[in-house]
Amino acid sequence: GENVEQHPSTLSVQEGDSAVIKCTYSDSASNYFPWYKQELGKRPQLIIDIRSNVGEKKDQRIAVTLNKTAKHFSLHITETQPEDSAVYFCAAITGTASKLTFGTGTRLQVTL
Amino acid sequence: EPEVTQTPSHQVTQMGQEVILRCVPISNHLYFYWYRQILGQKVEFLVSFYNNEISEKSEIFDDQFSVERPDGSNFTLKIRSTKLEDSAMYFCASCSEGLGQPQHFGDGTRLSIL
Repeated sequence: GENVEQHPSTLSVQEGDSAVIKCTYSDSASNYFPWYKQELGKRPQLIIDIRSNVGEKKDQRIAVTLNKTAKHFSLHITETQPEDSAVYFCAAITGTASKLTFGTGTRLQVTL
Repeated sequence: EPEVTQTPSHQVTQMGQEVILRCVPISNHLYFYWYRQILGQKVEFLVSFYNNEISEKSEIFDDQFSVERPDGSNFTLKIRSTKLEDSAMYFCASCSEGLGQPQHFGDGTRLSIL
């Protein structure tokens, strides 16, 4: 089945700096890659997603890039703010039932 | 904006007891899912449900687990005889179509087995 690896496990940046989180996937048939933000004790919240027919997508300070050949995708957050502090999960969808396979998460800490 | 709702928010149960976790997916959604998250770990897929039947299930979803859509709105997860290792946050999710569509998560039920 699909396996999603995510790095780094923790990331600390200063406010205003950029943050990059990287994921790789194993199943070349996967074609949808969402990113979720999870604050402590709360639901995973979809922040951006990308489909395999697109190489890059941007939404204000957040962007995602996808390299299908290398089977990796990345989340980029620019001009980070303290409220960006959370755990971020990448995921890939595979199979006919569209189950999400999640990465192991990145704890992002934005310091003042 | 419509949301997935889950009840209860927290369930404390003795080991060996049955629990039922309830979810109300977004009304026009067709695909339903249960995931679980052990404290500090990643979210893991349990089961997907479409057209009143299970589409796929993981190794975690053994004979102690079952799902049901008893009416047009509720989607339930039952654990027949709970074990200590069932302690986790259980999330329900739904999406409007299948492959390649966003899944929207509920707030979760924190299940604590004593």
